[in-house]
Amino acid sequence: KQEVTQIPAALSVPEGENLVLNCSFTDSAIYNLQWFRQDPGKGLTSLLLIQSSQREQTSGRLNASLDKSSGRSTLYIAASQPGDSATYLCAVNAGGTSYGKLTFGQGTILTVHP
Amino acid sequence: KAGVTQTPRYLIKTRGQQVTLSCSPISGHRSVSWYQQTPGQGLQFLFEYFSETQRNKGNFPGRFSGRQFSNSRSEMNVSTLELGDSALYLCASSLRTGFQYNEQFFGPGTRLTVL
Repeated sequence: KQEVTQIPAALSVPEGENLVLNCSFTDSAIYNLQWFRQDPGKGLTSLLLIQSSQREQTSGRLNASLDKSSGRSTLYIAASQPGDSATYLCAVNAGGTSYGKLTFGQGTILTVHP
Repeated sequence: KAGVTQTPRYLIKTRGQQVTLSCSPISGHRSVSWYQQTPGQGLQFLFEYFSETQRNKGNFPGRFSGRQFSNSRSEMNVSTLELGDSALYLCASSLRTGFQYNEQFFGPGTRLTVL
């Protein structure tokens, strides 16, 4: 059974700092991994999708890496801003017969203070 | 391009009642997945529909059911509501083509409160 863990559970940083969020998964047989952000009481916004054959993906100030063999992914946020404050979730897709099923971590609550 | 829409956004029901939630995927997306989000359990997969067929199901009791229509819109139903069913219900759509696995896009959710 796939289990996804995110560390740290919460993070508070001053504006402008670069930061790294960590995600680990127990079964390396994944098809892809997605990073999301969720604002309080809202749905999920997709940030980055990494296919299992890729090592990293970049979008603006965000960079996500994937090391499938070690079961790890990191989300790097450069020059953080107060608007980045949200819960960040990673989710893995095993593909195959489990195509539509994402297994989520518990999330990292990020607070960026001015 | 319109995103994933869910109706209603908020619902208040009492124990024992049943409820139906609706999800309209992004135009052209044929796969719809449903998730339950609670503070204690986080996000848990309910089921996925593709081409009007349930393709995958999570570990939830039979009180949770769903269906998908020919236009890819999906509904989920929860019968005999329990207090523990109070949660944010999220649906996600993706452009599933054959064995291509694509990015999932989520709707704003339906907040269900069971009294």
